[in-house]
This record gives sequence, structure tokens and C-alpha cells, in this order.
Amino acid sequence: GENVEQHPSTLSVQEGDSAVIKCTYSDSASNYFPWYKQELGKGPQLIIDIRSNVGEKKDQRIAVTLNKTAKHFSLHITETQPEDSAVYFCAASLTINDMRFGAGTRLTVKP
Amino acid sequence: SAVISQKPSRDICQRGTSLTIQCQVDSQVTMMFWYRQQPGQSLTLIATANQGSEATYESGFVIDKFPISRPNLTFSTLTVSNMSPEDSSIYLCSVEDREGPLGYGYTFGSGTRLTVV
Repeated sequence: GENVEQHPSTLSVQEGDSAVIKCTYSDSASNYFPWYKQELGKGPQLIIDIRSNVGEKKDQRIAVTLNKTAKHFSLHITETQPEDSAVYFCAASLTINDMRFGAGTRLTVKP
Repeated sequence: SAVISQKPSRDICQRGTSLTIQCQVDSQVTMMFWYRQQPGQSLTLIATANQGSEATYESGFVIDKFPISRPNLTFSTLTVSNMSPEDSSIYLCSVEDREGPLGYGYTFGSGTRLTVV
């Protein structure tokens, strides 16, 4: 089955700096790669996703890149703000019921 | 996008007892998913619940320990049976959400934080 590895486990940045979180996956057949943000006491919330036929996707301050050959994808957050502080999870799937999540990255944005 | 109401939001239970968690969705969905998130850990799929059929459990999870009901297309329950402290976790229900802003992906409930003492 799919195995997703995520790095780093914790990340601390100054407000205004950029943050990058990286994930690798094992199953080359996976074709959908979402990113979730989980704030304290809440369920994960989908913030951006990318499909295997696209190399990069942007939405305001966040972007995701995908390298299918190397089987890795990354989340980029620019101009970080304190409200970006949360745990971020990457995931990979081929079908709707086989999504596998990375271990999570705790991002802290210091004012 | 789908709105999920999950109850209870938290509970403290005695070992050996059972707790039933409810998940209500504001729209009809084919599949509902139950996840466990142990403290500081990632999300692990427990089972997939389809209406009208038995739930499909992932490796390491069994029906006797985590019975699931799915009586209709908007509701599901997960029971954590004969609890021990190792069952202390956040339990999350989730649905496929094709109507969300990104057109795909899962929407999660806010979770049930279970502490077993």
C-alpha cells in the first residue's frame, strides 16, 4: 500500500518568511495529493490539492508542487502570518478510500 | 461544501466501558470514513462505511472493537468497545466532498477527543 513520509516534523519561522513542507510517496499510481491544515481542537481542513497531471498549483499565499518522477510534492507558504500556525498534513491517494496521510508538520509562525 | 456534526466533542470514560460517536452530514454521501488520531500523531483510517453494507475495516482494526452503523446516507456511528487507556485518541469522521471549493477531497468533522481512565 501507499506510504507517505513528511518532513520536517516541526518548523518555526518568523512572520513574513516562507515555509516549505515536503512529502514523498511510494505508490507511483497515486494521482491525488491534498494538503490539510489542522488547528488546535479542530478537524483537518483541506487547503489545497493537486492532481498528477499538474506540476504546480497556487492559491494566494500557498502553492503546491508535484514531481511525479521523484514521487515527491511540497507545500509552500509565503509571507507567513501567525494564523498560519497549525499542524499541516500531506496525503496521497489513488482512489477515494485509500488516502494515506503523512505524519504531520507543526508550523509555528513567530510574530 | 458538506457540513459535518460530530458528537460528543469530548468525553472521559472508564476503562471497560463503551462509547458511541455520532456523525451527521448535511447532505447525502455514499461513503463515510472513520479515522483515529492518536496524540501528536497522524490520521489512521479505521474503516469505510457504506450505507446498506457492512463497514470495511483496515488492517489492525476489527468490528468487535469498533462496530460501525450506517443506517442512511447522512448518518453513521462508531462505537469504541471495552475501552482501555490505549484507546485515548481523537476520533474523526470524514466524507468525500465533491461540492467543496476544491471540488474533491475529504471534509472532516471536528473530532471526538476521548480520554480513557
